[in-house]
Formats: sequence, structure tokens, C-alpha cells
Amino acid sequence: DTAVSQTPKYLVTQMGNDKSIKCEQNLGHDTMYWYKQDSKKFLKIMFSYNNKELIINETVPNRFSPKSPDKAHLNLHINSLELGDSAVYFCASSRLGPSGNTIYFGEGSWLTVV
Amino acid sequence: DAKTTQPNSMESNEEEPVHLPCNHSTISGTDYIHWYRQLPSQGPEYVIHGLTSNVNNRMASLAIAEDRKSSTLILHRATLRDAAVYYCILRDKPLTSGSRLTFGEGTQLTVNP
Repeated sequence: DTAVSQTPKYLVTQMGNDKSIKCEQNLGHDTMYWYKQDSKKFLKIMFSYNNKELIINETVPNRFSPKSPDKAHLNLHINSLELGDSAVYFCASSRLGPSGNTIYFGEGSWLTVV
Repeated sequence: DAKTTQPNSMESNEEEPVHLPCNHSTISGTDYIHWYRQLPSQGPEYVIHGLTSNVNNRMASLAIAEDRKSSTLILHRATLRDAAVYYCILRDKPLTSGSRLTFGEGTQLTVNP
């Protein structure tokens, strides 16, 4: 069983379109994240949710809107896609508190905007 | 988050030990040293973490300097599957609301057959 799974794995779309990337974790974690890895391979956090509440919101365009319907899911919706949005998007999850020290990442979603 | 400095790349031969260094001269007393690695076309994965004492697990060992301003990740016998980017990251433990992993550039490890 995949601990953190995200779909789709690959997505090619045209500029101006709206697309979503879904993420689910079956680890029972209470915190989920979205990270973006650009063409230079830098990994940067975008958002973090704890128990469905937004706790980290880095400087990300308003076109990016995360949604957490429950603790096990964190979806990323992107409006009006631009060429610069092309990147690999990683979902991750962790548990807060004394026993939480590891963040588990999904395999990534490769987004290409043409 | 305190900054870490790692070499951009390192090379090793298969079945030989690999020592990946990390400098973190501005580490604070509550910072744990975490190592993650990212294999090609995959998400990052946890390798090991420690505070002051050296740590061992099934994947690697972590040697922490006495002044904690540097550490070394040790792969005892490198395999081709260990070729990856290795990230040294400082963070508070336990995870708290607002915790995040701040990734640097990491070290690209190449393992030669």
C-alpha cells in the first residue's frame, strides 16, 4: 500500500486551463503538505494543513488553492495555469507531537504547461 | 531555519563506504539534524536524524561533531541504488504546528559500478 499517493502522476495542459492534483495518505497523519520542485530542483513548501486547517501558506499566487476535505486528503487546485507553473508537485504528510519526526512524501506529480 | 552547507556532488564506488558531510555552524540547541534523500524521479525519503549522539539505523549512520556544528552521513557500503541527492536539514523536534522542512541544494551522490 502506498503511504502517500497523488494523482495524476503526469499532467500536460495548456496555458489558461484549470487543473487539480489529488493527494491521499493512509498513515493516519494529522498534517499534510504541498511542496513544489522547480526545474533547478529546489524543493519549496507551498502549504501545510493540520487537521484540515491551513497552518502554512507561503508566498504562492492566489491561483493555487489547496483544499482539505478531511485529514487524509489534501488536494491542490490551480487556476489559469501559466508556463512558470511547470514543475513537480509533491504531497507529504506527518504526525505532529512527540512521536512525529518524519515527513513522508508522495512520488510527485509532473505538471507541464504548454 | 538555520542554514546547512553541503558539497554539490560526491562520487563513490560500489560497495565502498561513503561519508557525506554537512556544515551547520549556526545550529541552535534545539535543532535536530535530519537527512533525507531523493532518488531520481521520486519524492524525498527520510534517512536518519539525531541531536547530539551518533545514530545508526538500517539505512545509514549519522556522526555528529561534539560542537554540533557539523555532521556526516555514513553509508557503510554504497550500492547503485544509493545514487541520489542527499539533503541535510535542521529542524525542531518534535514537529509542531508550522514546522516545515527547508531543503537546500543537497549533495548529488554518484555511485560507480
